[in-house]
Amino acid sequence: AQSVAQPEDQVNVAEGNPLTVKCTYSVSGNPYLFWYVQYPNRGLQFLLKYITGDNLVKGSYGFEAEFNKSQTSFHLKKPSALVSDSALYFCAVRDRAGGSYIPTFGRGTSLIVHP
Amino acid sequence: DADVTQTPRNRITKTGKRIMLECSQTKGHDRMYWYRQDPGLGLRLIYYSFDVKDINKGEISDGYSVSRQAQAKFSLSLESAIPNQTALYFCATSDSPSGATDTQYFGPGTRLTVL
Repeated sequence: AQSVAQPEDQVNVAEGNPLTVKCTYSVSGNPYLFWYVQYPNRGLQFLLKYITGDNLVKGSYGFEAEFNKSQTSFHLKKPSALVSDSALYFCAVRDRAGGSYIPTFGRGTSLIVHP
Repeated sequence: DADVTQTPRNRITKTGKRIMLECSQTKGHDRMYWYRQDPGLGLRLIYYSFDVKDINKGEISDGYSVSRQAQAKFSLSLESAIPNQTALYFCATSDSPSGATDTQYFGPGTRLTVL
């Protein structure tokens, strides 16, 4: 079985400050991990993914995420937040050992960046 | 993403009516998915299809049916709409996992209201 948790419904940060959106996962094997972003009135857009290799993954719009196997986490980070980063962020996981190849999405975290 | 289109974008209907949501893609992907998004619940999988002859139920398929008319088209039907089916519906595509990509590409969504 696979599951993912986003413990914060909302994250507030001031423009220019670093931001972190948290994600933890549970899989029986090794994970594929993803972050997607949803801007208002839009569909989800892919940001980045961890497949294998370097634990620090860099993605679109200056975002990065760090895979931590011991803590089963994949937190999304950005060194300096922009107001335009305000959106809904979804973490997703797929167990490499799973046969269905279907990812499980978290409930989403609303990021609000204040000017 | 313009490569995945959904029609209609907004729909208001009455309880008991039959309604069809349509999805088309030009990405050439074999795999297509239907999700619904509800506030606080994130994305939940309704149905998915790995090719034209393959249809699978997701975690919340009751009250829904699907048709995969071609590689590029995947329709979702509500045979007799009820108010708790009011939600934002997303279609998504992905290519096969053999290349370990697994990235999903989402349409813009259909906002459905059942009165």
